[in-house]
Amino acid sequence: DAKTTQPPSMDCAEGRAANLPCNHSTISGNEYVYWYRQIHSQGPQYIIHGLKNNETNEMASLIITEDRKSSTLILPHATLRDTAVYYCIVRVASTNAGKSTFGDGTTLTVKP
Amino acid sequence: DAGITQSPRHKVTETGTPVTLRCHQTENHRYMYWYRQDPGHGLRLIHYSYGVKDTDKGEVSDGYSVSRSKTEDFLLTLESATSSQTSVYFCAISLTPPSSYNEQFFGPGTRLTVL
Repeated sequence: DAKTTQPPSMDCAEGRAANLPCNHSTISGNEYVYWYRQIHSQGPQYIIHGLKNNETNEMASLIITEDRKSSTLILPHATLRDTAVYYCIVRVASTNAGKSTFGDGTTLTVKP
Repeated sequence: DAGITQSPRHKVTETGTPVTLRCHQTENHRYMYWYRQDPGHGLRLIHYSYGVKDTDKGEVSDGYSVSRSKTEDFLLTLESATSSQTSVYFCAISLTPPSSYNEQFFGPGTRLTVL
């Protein structure tokens, strides 16, 4: 699985968009980009994933660059409850699933 | 939310004692995983299972064993606990049937302290 690089921490004002970057310059053609978050003391929570097209769901949007070497998770209107550690991981989606490791992620702090 | 429970939620034990952590799911998902989470290391995969009696090692499997005799239960055993195994342990499951991606759902975690 490709390695990812994320900034260790970011701040965002409540109500504003939070843009979390992730670099994955060694990503392979068959690897997906996944985003999870972990609110303090809870298990990680799936947010969104994508291969090469931009994706949007009720939680967030995922923008993947054309060369797929980086991506950005966008929380359009951040709330205090979005304060969490956000993990970007890349891995192959296959039947023998999920042999992956989460890195240190980005600690997002949403401020009033 | 996927029905995943872990037991116990907290445990304190002494070095050299055996410890078994249990992950139970009510979703009939084929894939189950055990991770440990430590400051500065993120989440690291210990073992995973892709079916009853089918398991494989992850990144940090030394000192751990697993068993899966039923679809719904995945057990993690520390045969002889050491202080380096003090950590928070998370169980996760993947949806079935296999699809174009593998979204994982995580349990609430077990905080283990080895004195």
